[in-house]
Amino acid sequence: EVQLLESGGDLVQPGGSLRLSCAASGFSFTTYVLSWVRQAPGKGLEWVSAITPSGTTTYYADSVKGRFTISRDNSKNTLHLEMSSLRGGDTAVYYCVKGGQYSGNYYGLFDYWGQGTLVTVSS
Amino acid sequence: DIVMTQSPDSLAVSLGERATISCKSSQSILYNSNNKNYLAWYQQKPGQPPKLLIYWASIREPGVPDRFSGSGSGTDFTLTISSLQAEDVAVYYCQQYYHTPWTFGQGTKVEIK
Repeated sequence: EVQLLESGGDLVQPGGSLRLSCAASGFSFTTYVLSWVRQAPGKGLEWVSAITPSGTTTYYADSVKGRFTISRDNSKNTLHLEMSSLRGGDTAVYYCVKGGQYSGNYYGLFDYWGQGTLVTVSS
Repeated sequence: DIVMTQSPDSLAVSLGERATISCKSSQSILYNSNNKNYLAWYQQKPGQPPKLLIYWASIREPGVPDRFSGSGSGTDFTLTISSLQAEDVAVYYCQQYYHTPWTFGQGTKVEIK
């Protein structure tokens, strides 16, 4: 059974930093692209960032480029999102999401989602 | 960026009746080399993460009831619930995975009339 367990969400002041983590299990971690998708309170879904299986290639939404860094530790089956220069608009539930195989050219298809972790940016 | 636009924003349907949601992309998401539409549908119930329902525009994820169906190609797509059940009350999102940034529609809220 695929499981994705996010952690690290918290209340942080504007301009602050936070690190999210996602512990994955139940699938071949080093085969799949992983993403973060966020959802502001009462709003829709926004893809944030993705990382290839080896970790060598990363992708970002324009809204977070230069402020967020995605990484993965394949020895620990863990995904991370380092967030800095946080703004009120970053307030959201952040979901860790499993994508497709990188070799299959469908890695933006999200077949498993974690329960999410809430990040609140407020003074 | 590819903009995904859903309609309507919300709809109320009687139990057992058909619900239809439209999704339009700002450019074609049909990949000519494999003739596949890079379009997925997700269902999100209150307090839960989204759940993948349909991919490649028309392929149901295993375990998804066959009252859910997807159709369309190019830029115009439809999600149909043939006979609405109480457990189908949710927000439905379409998403293109053709090109980064992967983008979602704004969501359609389905309720019981």
